[in-house]
Amino acid sequence: DGGITQSPKYLFRKEGQNVTLSCEQNLNHDAMYWYRQDPGQGLRLIYYSQIVNDFQKGDIAEGYSVSREKKESFPLTVTSAQKNPTAFYLCASSTNLDGYYGYTFGSGTRLTVV
Amino acid sequence: RKEVEQDPGPFNVPEGATVAFNCTYSNSASQSFFWYRQDCRKEPKLLMSVYSSGNEDGRFTAQLNRASQYISLLIRDSKLSDSATYLCVVNNDMRFGAGTRLTVKP
Repeated sequence: DGGITQSPKYLFRKEGQNVTLSCEQNLNHDAMYWYRQDPGQGLRLIYYSQIVNDFQKGDIAEGYSVSREKKESFPLTVTSAQKNPTAFYLCASSTNLDGYYGYTFGSGTRLTVV
Repeated sequence: RKEVEQDPGPFNVPEGATVAFNCTYSNSASQSFFWYRQDCRKEPKLLMSVYSSGNEDGRFTAQLNRASQYISLLIRDSKLSDSATYLCVVNNDMRFGAGTRLTVKP
């Protein structure tokens, strides 16, 4: 079955460390997205990508970086510059950036700074 | 102004009640509209698309009002299992509403 796989499900990071969250899709979708969700809050857009080797900042990109070397993969790195990284991170994809057919989500990565 | 706005609730209703949520959007060029359901500590999942003429899926009815730029979700005969957060999103936006939290009580 097609879908989006995020790993790991839970991740613990020490202060000052960079960590990378994986997101892989086999839906043949062109567009991919990263969202952050804090407890009791909505989704906030971190980065998005329309095609391979191209990505754009969302609303809260500071302290994060991404790459899109393959259509299927859109990893997110949470850098030490992100001051409050503890959150639930969701990766999504859509047929294209238009989102006309909606968005499909992975099951998320819960990141905790220890 | 946020692109998509929802009443955050919470809505606390008894089983069997009818409840409705609205979601306003600012991009008049939006063409497709969706309601998602998010359970606690889970990812959002597509509940239903919203078609221009309105559409039903069992106890759920979605409506679109282009003139006033909002979509609505009506849930009839609420079940305990309907307790969740309901998010709206429009295409061309990538941004979801903050969600409306629904709790259905026995």
